[in-house]
Amino acid sequence: QQQVKQSPQSLIVQKGGIPIINCAYENTAFDYFPWYQQFPGKGPALLIAIRPDVSEKKEGRFTISFNKSAKQFSLHIMDSQPGDSATYFCAANAGNNRKLIWGLGTSLAVNP
Amino acid sequence: DAGVTQSPTHLIKTRGQQVTLRCSPKSGHDTVSWYQQALGQGPQFIFQYYEEEERQRGNFPDRFSGHQFPNYSSELNVNALLLGDSALYLCASSPWDRYSSGNTIYFGEGSWLTVV
Repeated sequence: QQQVKQSPQSLIVQKGGIPIINCAYENTAFDYFPWYQQFPGKGPALLIAIRPDVSEKKEGRFTISFNKSAKQFSLHIMDSQPGDSATYFCAANAGNNRKLIWGLGTSLAVNP
Repeated sequence: DAGVTQSPTHLIKTRGQQVTLRCSPKSGHDTVSWYQQALGQGPQFIFQYYEEEERQRGNFPDRFSGHQFPNYSSELNVNALLLGDSALYLCASSPWDRYSSGNTIYFGEGSWLTVV
């Protein structure tokens, strides 16, 4: 059973577009929601993370929107660039549990 | 400030052999977790170490074992290698006390293991 459901599986946008990746969860005990960016052959790099006490967080061109009542959160990439082409994973964990529960990933391609 | 460092970066082993992978956590982090990531898949949790003890374990056989040293560094050992063990092995570090230290989980670049 996938505890964190991520969509879409793949996404293609033009340079300058705003790709949006969505994640949904069931476990209301989750209280930490990070997004990771992974390039082929590299480890996941922490992009941005949010806690459920805020509805939005921005870091540079990356924004997380969080809807606690709907148990959903999403990643928006403003002014996307070809260098943003990568696989993006959402994740979640709860309390002192260091085990991350991962979405299945979204492969993003930004065309020049 | 060094991030999470892993070694070796790439290695090739033969079925039945044993392998040891190493990880040094980010400065200030005392908890190390290991993940296995097969090609095209998301990371799968193997186990987690804190205070030199295994604290949590995922759905992996006993062929996968680990160790944490007093300096917080960690090793992942895999015995009796199978072809299906070929994957990217990732080390993640974090502070145990997330509430006072902030719950940031960082990953190393991984160790690519190919079993032939």
